[in-house]
Amino acid sequence: NAGVTQTPKFQVLKTGQSMTLQCAQDMNHNSMYWYRQDPGMGLRLIYYSASEGTTDKGEVPNGYNVSRLNKREFSLRLESAAPSQTSVYFCASSTHWNTEAFFGQGTRLTVV
Amino acid sequence: GDSVTQMEGPVTLSEEAFLTINCTYTATGYPSLFWYVQYPGEGLQLLLKATKADDKGSNKGFEATYRKETTSFHLEKGSVQVSDSAVYFCALYPGTALIFGKGTTLSVSS
Repeated sequence: NAGVTQTPKFQVLKTGQSMTLQCAQDMNHNSMYWYRQDPGMGLRLIYYSASEGTTDKGEVPNGYNVSRLNKREFSLRLESAAPSQTSVYFCASSTHWNTEAFFGQGTRLTVV
Repeated sequence: GDSVTQMEGPVTLSEEAFLTINCTYTATGYPSLFWYVQYPGEGLQLLLKATKADDKGSNKGFEATYRKETTSFHLEKGSVQVSDSAVYFCALYPGTALIFGKGTTLSVSS
């Protein structure tokens, strides 16, 4: 069972560069999420997609864009990376509000 | 807005000690409550959940009871093991996406 797969696992960017973090799930889940994890801050929601074709902002959306490409895939794009975006990014998915969310292994991003 | 507050860590215990990690929440309505665990280098995984007041979630010897009157969901385990060393997150689901606390690091020594 693959579950939630994120790529890449590690990435170093220079300030101003762009990149897309990929996420795919094979559990036929409707909802998908992007979180960032920073020391002492816990996990903060960047964007979520309640269903295919919809996306909504979370707590910290500035500097990011997302695309729900289809039911399986939900990508996160940094158009112009900044050092403040150095973080560990987690993608997650769930069936609906009352069920377990499944997390990917994370992407450790460093912006220099 | 909706939020979760959990005790600051790190928590350091000896094997077989009793564990309590406090969690309180602020939310409108009656959200579902969760505890997630993150082992080093991994993503989060669900430990237990409760969906209504007075529900008790339990898994792997861990328990937590949904207390609406005190807006709390404290995590407990009677006898911790070295393998329980991890970061524990309390979370609530108000209807859109999970909202997490800042996490509590547990370190258990033998």
